[in-house]
Amino acid sequence: DVKVTQSSRYLVKRTGEKVFLECVQDMDHENMFWYRQDPGLGLRLIYFSYDVKMKEKGDIPEGYSVSREKKERFSLILESASTNQTSMYLCASRETGRPTNEKLFFGSGTQLSVL
Amino acid sequence: AQTVTQSQPEMSVQEAETVTLSCTYDTSESDYYLFWYKQPPSRQMILVIRQEAYKQQNATENRFSVNFQKAAKSFSLKISDSQLGDAAMYFCAYRGAQKLVFGQGTRLTINP
Repeated sequence: DVKVTQSSRYLVKRTGEKVFLECVQDMDHENMFWYRQDPGLGLRLIYFSYDVKMKEKGDIPEGYSVSREKKERFSLILESASTNQTSMYLCASRETGRPTNEKLFFGSGTQLSVL
Repeated sequence: AQTVTQSQPEMSVQEAETVTLSCTYDTSESDYYLFWYKQPPSRQMILVIRQEAYKQQNATENRFSVNFQKAAKSFSLKISDSQLGDAAMYFCAYRGAQKLVFGQGTRLTINP
């Protein structure tokens, strides 16, 4: 079955730390996405990637960067974590070229707390 | 920019009854998809139903159906014969040319 794996379910970091959130998909999907989920705000897109070494800013990219060196892996980087980045982070991937099968596959999320 | 609005932060329904979750969106695109995703306490997002904008017929998936009103930019989800396992956060989402935009979510409670 299709799988999107996020490396950590819960993570606690200190303000100012550099934080890496990893996401791996086993479906050979070109498109991958990082969202953050906050109560009352739904899911907001941080960054997405159409293919290896390609990245596009989403709606809230400030304070974040991404890396996609291999097709299956899409990393979200918090260069200097701040308390307002405490949130649930969801990774997703999407197959392209098959409109009748349009859907996102999500990981189980990483709940990040920045103290 | 496209926006998706879910005006009901919380809803509750008696088991076996029917409930409707509301969603409106704003776009200038003519070709797009609309989705309802479910997020149970496990946090795993699950696709409930999908509607292509060019299709006039409302999508149905077993107990789940939508009322798609393209001119009004409305996309509501109807859950019939509600079950305890339907309790979750429900997100409406829009996908146009590129990215997927989500609404704020509606927390659905099922009362036994």
